[in-house]
Amino acid sequence: GENVEQHPSTLSVQEGDSAVIKCTYSDSASNYFPWYKQELGKGPQLIIDIRSNVGEKKDQRIAVTLNKTAKHFSLHITETQPEDSAVYFCAAASEPGTYKYIFGTGTRLKVLA
Amino acid sequence: DARVTQTPRDKVTEMGQEVTMRCQPILGHNTVFWYRQTMKQGLELLAYFRNRAPLDDSGMPKDRFSAEMPDATLATLKIQPSEPRDSAVYFCASGLSRASSYNEQFFGPGTRLTVL
Repeated sequence: GENVEQHPSTLSVQEGDSAVIKCTYSDSASNYFPWYKQELGKGPQLIIDIRSNVGEKKDQRIAVTLNKTAKHFSLHITETQPEDSAVYFCAAASEPGTYKYIFGTGTRLKVLA
Repeated sequence: DARVTQTPRDKVTEMGQEVTMRCQPILGHNTVFWYRQTMKQGLELLAYFRNRAPLDDSGMPKDRFSAEMPDATLATLKIQPSEPRDSAVYFCASGLSRASSYNEQFFGPGTRLTVL
């Protein structure tokens, strides 16, 4: 079955710097890759997603890149702000219509003011 | 502002007791997921339903866990008997599933379960 690995498990950056979180997946049939942000005491919330026919997607300060050959994808946050501090989860899915996601283990991002 | 609701938000119980967690999905959503979150395992999918029918509960310990959708507005997750290792945060998520497409899963705030 699908396995998703996520690194690093914790990441501290200075406010204004960039943060990068990387994930690798094992199932070459995976074709949808969402990223979720979980703030303290809340449920995860979708922040950006990418489909396998696209190599990069950007939404303001966040971007996701996908390398299907290497089976890895990354989340990039530029100009980090204190409110970006949270746990970020990547996920992979290969069954359209059911969207059963396999989540990574999460990255705790701390943005230091 | 449509959102998934879960009750209770916190539950402390003793080993051997029955625990029932409830979820109200967003109105109109046809797919419901139950996840368990622990520090060690991250987010694990326990079960999911589409149009109230269970599609996959392979992630759930069958001997003590059960998940149901009595109607379109209520999903329940029961643990009987509960054990200390069940202590975790349980999330419900809902979404609108369309064939051949992927759609966002909307998560509830979670139920924090502590089994003593």
